[in-house]
Amino acid sequence: DVKVTQSSRYLVKRTGEKVFLECVQDMDHENMFWYRQDPGLGLRLIYFSYDVKMKEKGDIPEGYSVSREKKERFSLILESASTNQTSMYLCASSLTSLGLAGAEQYFGPGTRLTVT
Amino acid sequence: AQTVTQSQPEMSVQEAETVTLSCTYDTSESNYYLFWYKQPPSRQMILVIRQEAYKQQNATENRFSVNFQKAAKSFSLKISDSQLGDTAMYFCAIFGGSARQLTFGSGTQLTVLP
Repeated sequence: DVKVTQSSRYLVKRTGEKVFLECVQDMDHENMFWYRQDPGLGLRLIYFSYDVKMKEKGDIPEGYSVSREKKERFSLILESASTNQTSMYLCASSLTSLGLAGAEQYFGPGTRLTVT
Repeated sequence: AQTVTQSQPEMSVQEAETVTLSCTYDTSESNYYLFWYKQPPSRQMILVIRQEAYKQQNATENRFSVNFQKAAKSFSLKISDSQLGDTAMYFCAIFGGSARQLTFGSGTQLTVLP
């Protein structure tokens, strides 16, 4: 089974802090994704990556950056955390970019981030 | 652009009964994939069922089945013999070829009552 892990389940940070959220997948998947989940809004894509050192903006990239130095690891960075970034953050991965193997995503358990 | 609409924010069903969750979508792609994901209270999102748009036959996975109406752009999920463990947030999602990303609906919170 694919396993996607996230570094923390719960995180509390102060406004202005730099925050790192890490995600690791163990199935040699090419693609990795970061979403934020808010009530009534579903999941919104922040950034994704189709290869090492490669990244593309999703629907809501403002205030975030990402890093993918190794294939299995994809980090989300909040350069200066703000209260409106309080949310649930979900990481996901998929095998390739082609067809159903690219469409089907496997999710991590999520990180509940609170910025005070 | 792809959009997914789930018009039922919350639903409840008695244990052992059947419930249907609604989903409509819009896409300009000729080929695409549709998914239902489940997110139980523990928060791990898991895939429930998938449907490839070019396949006319409705997908079925044990107690879960879909009613895929391509012309109407509708993709509803039916859960038969509901169990307490089905209590979760359910998300409908679409993946269109050129978009290369999943677009999710806003979710339906399903509660199965004992």
